Amino acid sequence: QKEVEQNSGPLSVPEGAIASLNCTYSDRGSQSFFWYRQYSGKSPELIMFIYSNGDKEDGRFTAQLNKASQYVSLLIRDSQPSDSATYLCAVIAGGFKTIFGAGTRLFVKA
Amino acid sequence: GAGVSQSPSNKVTEKGKDVELRCDPISGHTALYWYRQSLGQGLEFLIYFQGNSAPDKSGLPSDRFSAERTGESVSTLTIQRTQQEDSAVYLCASSPLGQRSTDTQYFGPGTRLTVL
Repeated sequence: QKEVEQNSGPLSVPEGAIASLNCTYSDRGSQSFFWYRQYSGKSPELIMFIYSNGDKEDGRFTAQLNKASQYVSLLIRDSQPSDSATYLCAVIAGGFKTIFGAGTRLFVKA
Repeated sequence: GAGVSQSPSNKVTEKGKDVELRCDPISGHTALYWYRQSLGQGLEFLIYFQGNSAPDKSGLPSDRFSAERTGESVSTLTIQRTQQEDSAVYLCASSPLGQRSTDTQYFGPGTRLTVL
């Protein structure tokens, strides 16, 4: 079992819709959870982080964390074509190691 | 200020040669990370530096890989006797404090390594 799992996609949504990206992790001791966006050929850039159960909102983005279910998600409201990218879930487990999922490719159709 | 920089941006080498990749973190950032990303894959953690010490080297794939860092400055990742499976994009990231609960990592543009 991979430590951080994501559906590889592609996830295709129409412009203006809500895109829902999901991530599960295996280490119950994980403390911090991050979502990064990576455009093709570019480096990852942080969208947001979360470390408490519940929802955290930042503009069009909402991160949701459920530690009991070992599940973290990212919702993108009013999706735009410019949101088309690969979204990486990252988890800091024991020590300082950051474990990344393989990423979900999102395609927003204009 | 300047972001994380890496050099070279591209490196093509022959199997069996040694290569050295360089990372300049954001000034003042305590923590520095190396990752590699194979085509279409996620990021694979290699090593983490807090200052110039490396508390976590667990991700280095083999003893052909080594890394060092000078103070809270430049880091070099060295791959000896390169193999074709080493071909990947090597990404460096730095973060201000290295505190795991709030660490935001800022990534450099990467070095694309191709081993022929």
